[in-house]
Amino acid sequence: ETGVTQSPTHLIKTRGQQVTLRCSSQSGHNTVSWYQQALGQGPQFIFQYYREEENGRGNFPPRFSGLQFPNYSSELNVNALELDDSALYLCASSLGRDRGYEQYFGPGTRLTVT
Amino acid sequence: DAKTTQPPSMDCAEGRAANLPCNHSTISGNEYVYWYRQIHSQGPQYIIHGLKNNETNEMASLIITEDRKSSTLILPHATLRDTAVYYCIVLLANAGGTSYGKLTFGQGTILTVHP
Repeated sequence: ETGVTQSPTHLIKTRGQQVTLRCSSQSGHNTVSWYQQALGQGPQFIFQYYREEENGRGNFPPRFSGLQFPNYSSELNVNALELDDSALYLCASSLGRDRGYEQYFGPGTRLTVT
Repeated sequence: DAKTTQPPSMDCAEGRAANLPCNHSTISGNEYVYWYRQIHSQGPQYIIHGLKNNETNEMASLIITEDRKSSTLILPHATLRDTAVYYCIVLLANAGGTSYGKLTFGQGTILTVHP
């Protein structure tokens, strides 16, 4: 059973640029959630995708957007990067519906905005 | 979702039981208690969850008080690899009939296991 994978591991971008982060969900999981974790804080929910549709969103501006593909992999896109976007971005997959809160997290992508 | 209160840090000797408390005095009848942990430089890891009854799996045991206002996560024989931040999360599962899996993480408890 393949776990959740994320790419890239680390990324450095300049303020104002755009970034795309990728996530492959665990085999058989149809739900993907994205979280942002600032240094020293707990993860904050960005949004969730269930069967290619957004299924809930946290308190993040529209410049944070996402996609889920037919194979249930997912992308997180952030436009017009700001310094405060520097964080660890975590992707989590789950079986949806009955077990949506048992989420399996990837190792994260460390984004640094300069 | 109900708010939780956890001690900011705890210590435990290797091989001993680690008992991590969580207070959730405003929990409602259909809210679950979930526990996750995050080892340094890794993503969070699901541990266990429960509604009313005590639960046990290969990782830990969850003891929920009869009035459901608090719970304790028990790691029966802590090892150095159990050093992590432990998060207690209370949530309404399957709200609206869909799996809206928004986990709300607080500050958690930093558990340090000593040799």
